[in-house]
Amino acid sequence: EAQVTQNPRYLITVTGKKLTVTCSQNMNHEYMSWYRQDPGLGLRQIYYSMNVEVTDKGDVPEGYKVSRKEKRNFPLILESPSPNQTSLYFCASSLRPGQGLNTEAFFGQGTRLTVV
Amino acid sequence: AQTVTQSQPEMSVQEAETVTLSCTYDTSESDYYLFWYKQPPSRQMILVIRQEAYKQQNATENRFSVNFQKAAKSFSLKISDSQLGDAAMYFCAYRSPRAGGTSYGKLTFGQGTILTVHP
Repeated sequence: EAQVTQNPRYLITVTGKKLTVTCSQNMNHEYMSWYRQDPGLGLRQIYYSMNVEVTDKGDVPEGYKVSRKEKRNFPLILESPSPNQTSLYFCASSLRPGQGLNTEAFFGQGTRLTVV
Repeated sequence: AQTVTQSQPEMSVQEAETVTLSCTYDTSESDYYLFWYKQPPSRQMILVIRQEAYKQQNATENRFSVNFQKAAKSFSLKISDSQLGDAAMYFCAYRSPRAGGTSYGKLTFGQGTILTVHP
């Protein structure tokens, strides 16, 4: 079954304590990205990756890091979380733009992060 | 940069009736993709329907159809014969097909519309 797997689904942490949210996809997609969802703002892109070892900033990258050492995995790292990073996070994967007509993005289950 | 606007924070419909969710977008590109995603209480993002801008024909998927007005930059979603399971947050999204640039591969989302279905 084609899927994007995110873990954990829920996370409560304290300010400044480093955390990692994992994301893995089994569709051999080259393009992966992270979004955060906030009320009234929809989803906004944090970082994206075009391929292994190729990443770039999205619209709201401050306070986040990513890495892409393997094609299937794209973890999101918060090295010093702050309360304004409390949000719902989604990982997504898809074909690269221009790679085909099917540009649908497949989303993980979401991670509800609370920073206190 | 592209923007997507959903001007209806909340909508409601009676079961078996029809409802239309509005979406407008702003872009200087001539070719692009538009999507409607459904987010039920489970939080899962589910693709409802997709439209390629170069296609004049409106996309349909069973009870879901779109009214794509390219000149007006409008992309509304019509849900016919509404069911209780349609209750969810609905997001309109834009994606550029360009293989480069600052918007590379990004989905730009609207603010979302919460749909309530009354029995």
